[in-house]
Amino acid sequence: EVVMTQSPATLSASPGERVTLSCRASQSVDSNLAWYQQKPGQAPRLLIYRASTRATGLPARFSGSGSGTEFTLTISSLQSEDFAIYYCQQYNDWPPFTFGPGTKVDVK
Amino acid sequence: QVQLQESGPGLVKPSQTLSLTCSVSGVSITSNNYFWNWIRQPAGKGLEWIGRIHGRGNTDYHPSLKSRLTVSIDKSTNQVSLTLTSVTAADSAVYFCARTVWPTHYYDFWGRGRLVTVSS
Repeated sequence: EVVMTQSPATLSASPGERVTLSCRASQSVDSNLAWYQQKPGQAPRLLIYRASTRATGLPARFSGSGSGTEFTLTISSLQSEDFAIYYCQQYNDWPPFTFGPGTKVDVK
Repeated sequence: QVQLQESGPGLVKPSQTLSLTCSVSGVSITSNNYFWNWIRQPAGKGLEWIGRIHGRGNTDYHPSLKSRLTVSIDKSTNQVSLTLTSVTAADSAVYFCARTVWPTHYYDFWGRGRLVTVSS
């Protein structure tokens, strides 16, 4: 099973800041990586797939990069609605397809 | 517009069977293009994929749950069902259904989730 790790566990930031979240896979997952955003009491929302492709309607301030074992999600200018938990998920190797433990972005 | 909605009992006794239904609208669940997945999230914890079914009926399960889990589809009602037997407190979680589009395996549409608590 591919183990996904994310860092930091919590990121405290202010609106307008640029933030970068990291995701690492225990073995190469090529570019088969997705990012999701989850707010309290809600289902996760797909943000990025294939490591860098934005989902339909996603604001351009969100961008993804990386391949192999190292990935990043960048929010270029944090908005109030972006405070949430962010999960990465690999879909290269299964069973099962695995999620990272999440990074919580909260208000500084 | 694709919509998914989970339903079922919110409380199940230990050793009994957990049964949930995911009602899908806006798309036929029997399409060759889609997998219908169940993903769970224990309180305060991360996401765990537990099983899926293809529109044609092929299933895949998390190895740790394979002996207890069944996922099925009902073409007449456009619903996907989950059955998990012999539950324990460790099975308490929010259960989500979510869609993947073959041949990719990321989840593009999700239901709002159903909280299931296993307790006597």
